[in-house]
Order: sequence, then C-alpha cells, then structure tokens
Amino acid sequence: EAGVTQSPTHLIKTRGQQATLRCSPISGHTSVYWYQQALGLGLQFLLWYDEGEERNRGNFPPRFSGRQFPNYSSELNVNALELEDSALYLCASSLGDPENGYTFGSGTRLTVV
Amino acid sequence: DQQVKQNSPSLSVQEGRISILNCDYTNSMFDYFLWYKKYPAEGPTFLISISSIKDKNEDGRFTVFLNKSAKHLSLHIVPSQPGDSAVYFCAASEGSQGNLIFGKGTKLSVKP
Repeated sequence: EAGVTQSPTHLIKTRGQQATLRCSPISGHTSVYWYQQALGLGLQFLLWYDEGEERNRGNFPPRFSGRQFPNYSSELNVNALELEDSALYLCASSLGDPENGYTFGSGTRLTVV
Repeated sequence: DQQVKQNSPSLSVQEGRISILNCDYTNSMFDYFLWYKKYPAEGPTFLISISSIKDKNEDGRFTVFLNKSAKHLSLHIVPSQPGDSAVYFCAASEGSQGNLIFGKGTKLSVKP
C-alpha cells in the first residue's frame, strides 16, 4: 500500500512569489492535514480538510490556503512568500480515528530566498 | 500558549537501559495522546497512543503512561537501542478539533 506522497521534495522560491505543494493521502483516507515545521520548532498545525471541506485552521495568515479535491488529494498554497515561510511542510492523512494516529508524508522542504 | 510541552530538548541514554520521555499538557479536553518518532528529512512515524480513559498502554518495547490529575504523560522505551535515536514528539487530540497538537520534541540519543 502506497503511503502519503508529497511533491515536490524541495522547492526554492523568491520572496513575494507563490508556492504550491501537493499531497496524495493513503487510499481510503478522507482527512488530510497540513503542518509546518520551521527550523528549531515543533510541528505547527496549518489546515485540516475532510470530504473536500476545510474543517479547521491553525493560527496562520490567510495567505496560507489550500483545497481538497474529489479524490481526496490536497494542495497547499502559500502566497506572497516571506523569508520566514522557509520550513518543512508535512502532509498527513487519516481515517479520522485519532487513536491510530496520522500517517505522515516525507514533506516538502520550502526555501524562500 | 503552548498546550503540549516537552521540557527536555534532549536525552542521552546507554544502549540496553530505559529511556523515559516526558510530556505535559494544559488542556483537560484532550481525549487521545500519541507519540511520534522522527528521523531527519523524514515525516514523523506513529509509535503508540493512549486514550484519556486509560492510564497505561504497551506495545512491545514501548509503554505510555498517562497521569490525568498531573496532566502528564511519559513514554518508556525498554531496552533502548541505537536505532531508537531520533526526535520524539508528544501529541494530543481534542476530538471535535480534528487536528493533533504537537510538543516541540525531545532528541533521544542511544549510545552503544
């Protein structure tokens, strides 16, 4: 069974540009979560999508947005990139049962120069 | 306001001994607690979880203990192995919120 896949693995953008990160969940998983891990910090919750709807949002500005497609894959968009957006962006999927945890992808390393 | 806290940034243990990783939380509405392990350049891997209605859960070398009155949980690894060297994250879930809230992690080093 394929795990959670994220693309691209690495992304380099210039300040002010837009970045698009993609995530394919495990087959059958309807929930997708996005987290940011900046250098030296823990995982900060960004967005939760379930059945195509945004269910919850972390404490991030509106320039962080996303969507979930009918096949449950998801996209994270970051507009007007700032240097401090440089981080590892992790996507996870689940069936919605917290006891069994989420399955994470390997992440997209975004560097803003 | 940090709802999940891991106050030890690092821990060093000898191979074969017990590793104890600690985590404190402030939100009494959390109903599940989880531990994840993370290697550099990889996503976190789920290790073990515990429901708020239990005080202990075991899975092989890993045991998680929950003390609700103290709002404290711990992960015990016995015996510790060099391959356990990684960053360990504690996380908590409040059912209606859906997302997991993570601590900042503890870097475990197991020395041969």
